[in-house]
Amino acid sequence: KAGVTQTPRYLIKTRGQQVTLSCSPISGHRSVSWYQQTPGQGLQFLFEYFSETQRNKGNFPGRFSGRQFSNSRSEMNVSTLELGDSALYLCASSYGTGGSLSGANVLTFGAGSRLTVL
Amino acid sequence: AQSVSQHNHHVILSEAASLELGCNYSYGGTVNLFWYVQYPGQHLQLLLKYFSGDPLVKGIKGFEAEFIKSKFSFNLRKPSVQWSDTAEYFCAVNAKDNAGNMLTFGGGTRLMVKP
Repeated sequence: KAGVTQTPRYLIKTRGQQVTLSCSPISGHRSVSWYQQTPGQGLQFLFEYFSETQRNKGNFPGRFSGRQFSNSRSEMNVSTLELGDSALYLCASSYGTGGSLSGANVLTFGAGSRLTVL
Repeated sequence: AQSVSQHNHHVILSEAASLELGCNYSYGGTVNLFWYVQYPGQHLQLLLKYFSGDPLVKGIKGFEAEFIKSKFSFNLRKPSVQWSDTAEYFCAVNAKDNAGNMLTFGGGTRLMVKP
């Protein structure tokens, strides 16, 4: 079955612009999480959506936002881009959510969207 | 809040050498533990996971990890590495009492295996 699909794969923006990234989870998966990967900070959790509701949010400014649609597809938006927002943005999906569930909440990652801010 | 430390940032080994990558976490409650691998140019893939039961877990490609609760550790091991194991390895933690799937990752360990 198809994996987690992220679009676009690469994009270049300038400071002050905004960007929207898209993620299509594995069919049947209802949880979508977003992570930012940079050489300096590593992998950092942005937010998680399950059944169109935000379950958790990481320690990022309000310029970072997301949403999930009824078909489980998710988008994240970054407004007023800064140079430091240059990163690989990873989306991950799982069937379930919640740390108490064994197996159902194992994350499968997509290839990522590489954002460069000039 | 939980945190994860991977003390080895870069490891260089020759083929057939044994591997052990350290991972320590900080969290007072019960956790789920993971190792993910990122091969050059590829996406993050699950190597192995621990939820409960036998603290020695086996994953893909001959990797295993041992959960030692008293040491808050989940070290990754492989008895004999291959050139194809060259990759970056990430340890991650998810708190069992967390309402969601939030993973806290370690900083990663870059492994280079010389042929």
